[in-house]
Amino acid sequence: ILNVEQSPQSLHVQEGDSTNFTCSFPSSNFYALHWYRWETAKSPEALFVMTLNGDEKKKGRISATLNTKEGYSYLYIKGSQPEDSATYLCASARGQGGKLIFGQGTELSVKP
Amino acid sequence: NAGVTQTPKFQVLKTGQSMTLQCAQDMNHEYMSWYRQDPGMGLRLIHYSVGAGITDQGEVPNGYNVSRSTTEDFPLRLLSAAPSQTSVYFCASSHPEGLAEAFFGQGTRLTVV
Repeated sequence: ILNVEQSPQSLHVQEGDSTNFTCSFPSSNFYALHWYRWETAKSPEALFVMTLNGDEKKKGRISATLNTKEGYSYLYIKGSQPEDSATYLCASARGQGGKLIFGQGTELSVKP
Repeated sequence: NAGVTQTPKFQVLKTGQSMTLQCAQDMNHEYMSWYRQDPGMGLRLIHYSVGAGITDQGEVPNGYNVSRSTTEDFPLRLLSAAPSQTSVYFCASSHPEGLAEAFFGQGTRLTVV
């Protein structure tokens, strides 16, 4: 994998559903994997920065896992709420220097 | 508690006009970057800087210039605007290690007619 790819592109779920998205990234020269939440008309805000293979992070109902050997990360949302509606971006940092390469995002819509 | 400040929020340009998008941060971050966001394409890196006096190209640098004379400011210049540069532009800053989260400005919606 040469680029950062996210799937699905969009997701429509009902309130209370649990959901997950995938981020695939180049495993060579891996340094860090970032997840951001981006609400319409606002700026992206960081959810997690992950570095270690097997790492798991959690913030409230949102959690993420990381597999650096095979180059993927999963983001999980348990019991989705309408306020979770946003675009979720992942970004790969390859090597030091902070340069982030973003995926195209997964747009989540949660209906009440 | 300003964080990353971008101006203007909206701009309409005619083809061939020039303009500068301003970005300033007050968090003493060494690393600053500019992205453009187009439908279905996520955020694409235009230019970035790892410190004052140092800039480098990202994925889509053509048609844009940057400079970094101070730690705080990182302006993006469009020398001769083209309709293909119609986009939403975001400035971001962070510590440079790649382990630190990026902080984003509020975005500039640019339309070139």
